Amino acid sequence: QKEVEQNSGPLSVPEGAIASLNCTYSDRVSQSFFWYRQYSGKSPELIMSIYSNGDKEDGRFTAQLNKASQYVSLLIRDSQPSDSATYLCAVSWGETGANNLFFGTGTRLTVIP
Amino acid sequence: EPEVTQTPSHQVTQMGQEVILRCVPISNHLYFYWYRQILGQKVEFLVSFYNNEISEKSEIFDDQFSVERPDGSNFTLKIRSTKLEDSAMYFCASSMDNIVEQYFGPGTRLTVT
Repeated sequence: QKEVEQNSGPLSVPEGAIASLNCTYSDRVSQSFFWYRQYSGKSPELIMSIYSNGDKEDGRFTAQLNKASQYVSLLIRDSQPSDSATYLCAVSWGETGANNLFFGTGTRLTVIP
Repeated sequence: EPEVTQTPSHQVTQMGQEVILRCVPISNHLYFYWYRQILGQKVEFLVSFYNNEISEKSEIFDDQFSVERPDGSNFTLKIRSTKLEDSAMYFCASSMDNIVEQYFGPGTRLTVT
């Protein structure tokens, strides 16, 4: 059974702080990892993708992947109130040639001005 | 910037009726997907589509569901006889390749009464 686990939160951080979001997944065969941001009532918006172990940085966002520990995280530096949203971790096992995504339940982040 | 579009944004239907949800994927993308999100729950994969045929489908995607690419731009999801439990947000997504990022449309909110 493929599972993607996230702490549902809410996670509250003050403006300007670093927000750290975590995700674990069940299967070592996982190939691709994605972080999406979802505002209430809106669709998932892709923030980051990461495919190999280590860190990947894009602006204020850093994704970290540790396949041995089956763990992927997202760091948001200099958090802004506009970052307040639910962050979805998505994993693809890529077994069938199609990149079906399995999502976690999401972590709700609130950035306090 | 190219984006996935979906129509309608909101569909209200009576139980037992047929509905067709429409999507226009990003023009140079080859893989197409439908996901759904019941209110307060996680995003769930329904079906993936490539080269004019279903690539993968989940247990949710039973005989009541079908997908079609009727022309070079549209991608549709049909629910033949809607049930109350079909009420959800339905998201279309597309990707250029089967191992890269998926981009989501704004969604169609389906309400079955």
